[in-house]
Amino acid sequence: DTEVTQTPKHLVMGMTNKKSLKCEQHMGHRAMYWYKQKAKKPPELMFVYSYEKLSINESVPSRFSPECPNSSLLNLHLHALQPEDSALYLCASSQGEGGELFFGEGSRLTVL
Amino acid sequence: QKEVEQNSGPLSVPEGAIASLNCTYSDRGSQSFFWYRQYSGKSPELIMFIYSNGDKEDGRFTAQLNKASQYVSLLIRDSQPSDSATYLCAVNMDSTLTFGKGTMLLVSP
Repeated sequence: DTEVTQTPKHLVMGMTNKKSLKCEQHMGHRAMYWYKQKAKKPPELMFVYSYEKLSINESVPSRFSPECPNSSLLNLHLHALQPEDSALYLCASSQGEGGELFFGEGSRLTVL
Repeated sequence: QKEVEQNSGPLSVPEGAIASLNCTYSDRGSQSFFWYRQYSGKSPELIMFIYSNGDKEDGRFTAQLNKASQYVSLLIRDSQPSDSATYLCAVNMDSTLTFGKGTMLLVSP
């Protein structure tokens, strides 16, 4: 059983929809992350939430917005996405920044 | 620019052989190094981490680190078809992990 839980596992949305990806970690970790991964590419870091501070990869467009309700939850709100945003979205956690990452099973997003 | 380089492969080995996967990194100040295995359509799974120069063994897996050469490798002994996957090298740079593009390993029965 994975200790980083992501929902939903699959999401199909139109370009005008608003949806959210949810992530919860049960490991007591202090850092949580969202990564985007396209086919045959490595994971690309989007956001880091660590010790109550949010860090953003400046290349990530504003149609993606993270929300951290508490230290074990990190959501990703999606709005007005483009077809090129279709990818596997991975949530991960670590004990501290730069430590080993534990990934959830991922959320496969398709934008029509 | 801080980079992690891997040969994309595929690396093909017969069952029972040793598979050797290599990774180089650009940031001389990096202190921690990780190997992840990723099956097609699945999320990455941590296999090993290494912090000190030398070898670290865990079952059939051995990680090797040479900080002077900025080189880290993963050896898989007695390779099995179930080891067929993409192996991602990740390096701690500025408190975040930077991933290489991964090496695809194919183990034939």
